[in-house]
Amino acid sequence: QVQLKESGPGLVQPSQTLSLTCTVAGFSLTSYNVHWVRQPPGKGLEWMGVIWNTGGTRYNSALKSRLSISKDTSKSQVFLKMNSLQTEDTATYYCARDQGYPYVMDAWGQGASVTVSS
Amino acid sequence: DIQMTQSPSLLSASVGDRVTINCKASQNINKYLNWYQQKLGEAPKLLIYNTNNLQTGIPSRFSGSGSGTDYTLTISSLQPEDFGTYFCFQHNSWPTFGSGTKLEIK
Repeated sequence: QVQLKESGPGLVQPSQTLSLTCTVAGFSLTSYNVHWVRQPPGKGLEWMGVIWNTGGTRYNSALKSRLSISKDTSKSQVFLKMNSLQTEDTATYYCARDQGYPYVMDAWGQGASVTVSS
Repeated sequence: DIQMTQSPSLLSASVGDRVTINCKASQNINKYLNWYQQKLGEAPKLLIYNTNNLQTGIPSRFSGSGSGTDYTLTISSLQPEDFGTYFCFQHNSWPTFGSGTKLEIK
């Protein structure tokens, strides 16, 4: 059964770095791409970036200078790091797997709620 | 970046109605358009991918169409469980989501 689960701190101070982990089960990170998508409270969805099965990455141009996505295939984990956090980065952060076609996200984690506040 | 204009932003319809939701791209997106449904407190759910491909397990009352810059999600006969917010997502170039359509059941 395909599963993804995000984990990380619920609260981050302004200007600090956010670190999230997406732990997957039921598939291999060497075969599937994984995306990060976020959603501020009561607002729409924003695509953040993707790590390809090959290990390459692509980022939203608006976040590129602050964002890094990596993975440890042996541990079935994908990592998101974003620095210089501001209050507008408060959101639910989702990881999601590609179905097979690129950018067709068919399986999602439950989401991790992150609040940026002092 | 490609802008996705989704309409309407709010839609109220009755069970059994035929419902359409539209997404217009600021440039040709070559049918690289997916549709997602999201219910409150849940992750998005893939309904349709690459304009008109029904995701496995999704009821056949959902369908997608379009080309160029204009795309439509159609629910042929609205069911009570179809309430929620619907988002389009283009992945022709830098991926972007539409702003969402909140579907309420009358």
